[in-house]
Amino acid sequence: DSGVTQTPKHLITATGQRVTLRCSPRSGDLSVYWYQQSLDQGLQFLIQYYNGEERAKGNILERFSAQQFPDLHSELNLSSLELGDSALYFCASSRSGGRTGELFFGEGSRLTVL
Amino acid sequence: TQLLEQSPQFLSIQEGENLTVYCNSSSVFSSLQWYRQEPGEGPVLLVTVVTGGEVKKLKRLTFQFGDARKDSSLHITAAQTGDTGLYLCAAGGGADGLTFGKGTHLIIQP
Repeated sequence: DSGVTQTPKHLITATGQRVTLRCSPRSGDLSVYWYQQSLDQGLQFLIQYYNGEERAKGNILERFSAQQFPDLHSELNLSSLELGDSALYFCASSRSGGRTGELFFGEGSRLTVL
Repeated sequence: TQLLEQSPQFLSIQEGENLTVYCNSSSVFSSLQWYRQEPGEGPVLLVTVVTGGEVKKLKRLTFQFGDARKDSSLHITAAQTGDTGLYLCAAGGGADGLTFGKGTHLIIQP
């Protein structure tokens, strides 16, 4: 158990819909990262927050947004969903926002768009 | 964005054999990490290498960081079925975030 909690574990929805994925980081961790994992693209970095502020941004689509709340939990919002958005979405947390820190991953949220 | 190329993409060997998987890039990294991911779970950190030429051992796993800090290898001695999983290398961080390679899918057959 990494200490990172993600909900929901599984989500099935239709194209055009909007979903919210939730992540609670390990106790004491200030950084939260969101990744998308698919078979063909691998683990793709979406966005990182550190203590409520956006720290780094990857290939996150404009239809996607995220935020980190004062209690440090984070939400990833996916809107106008397309079939290609079907993937595993991972949240990870770390103590700092530095380059060599260990990332602790949750078990992921599997999104299926029909 | 730094690109990490991992090879081979898939590897299936018998229990007891040795194997090496690779992580290569044209970029120089200040550090590089190796993670292992099992089905239904998130990746778990195995090791972080920082110094060029550095070798780190974790039981039967040996990790090496290239002298130029552009590549790394993971060698497993006497593989066991419990070593089965997806092995990912990761590097970068900073404004571009931590970048992962696509991984090596390793299957150890009994």
